[in-house]
Amino acid sequence: EAGVAQSPRYKIIEKRQSVAFWCNPISGHATLYWYQQILGQGPKLLIQFQNNGVVDDSQLPKDRFSAERLKGVDSTLKIQPAKLEDSAVYLCASSLGSLTDTQYFGPGTRLTVL
Amino acid sequence: AQSVTQLGSHVSVSEGALVLLRCNYSSSVPPYLFWYVQYPNQGLQLLLKYTTGATLVKGINGFEAEFKKSETSFHLTKPSAHMSDAAEYFCAVRNNAGNMLTFGGGTRLMVKP
Repeated sequence: EAGVAQSPRYKIIEKRQSVAFWCNPISGHATLYWYQQILGQGPKLLIQFQNNGVVDDSQLPKDRFSAERLKGVDSTLKIQPAKLEDSAVYLCASSLGSLTDTQYFGPGTRLTVL
Repeated sequence: AQSVTQLGSHVSVSEGALVLLRCNYSSSVPPYLFWYVQYPNQGLQLLLKYTTGATLVKGINGFEAEFKKSETSFHLTKPSAHMSDAAEYFCAVRNNAGNMLTFGGGTRLMVKP
């Protein structure tokens, strides 16, 4: 079974530029999550989708971050404009859909903002 | 609000020695608890989880954890460390309103030959 796919794996941009990350969840997984992991810290949930609807985006900085999950499968996370403090690993995870389901994580995208 | 505290950001053990990684949580409701492992440049992999039932949970790679409600703890142990266990370990608690995980700050395990 293929795992969660993310691209790109690495991205370096300058502050005030825009960047987008892509995630393809495990086939059949209805729930998709985006986490931000700052160096030396645990992951922090940014947004959770159930199919193509948003379940929780309370920790998403909506002035600069946006995410969508068109057709309930792939998802993109965008940052516009980027700040230095956005440097982190952005992890995508997916689960089948019920509240007790295990979350499976992708390898992440490491973003460096200069 | 719930939170997770992992005592010790770095733990070093000798190969063959006992591994003990500490995790304490706070939650207003009975928690679901998880341990994940992260190898360099990889995503998180589930080691084990506690939902309900038996408080001693066995996971992959010889790891186990015990849920102790009175101590609000969920410490991770392994009787004998291998070099391949060197990684970062994260404890997490799940709220019951959804499937949102709150992670601790992580513990980096180093294994000395």
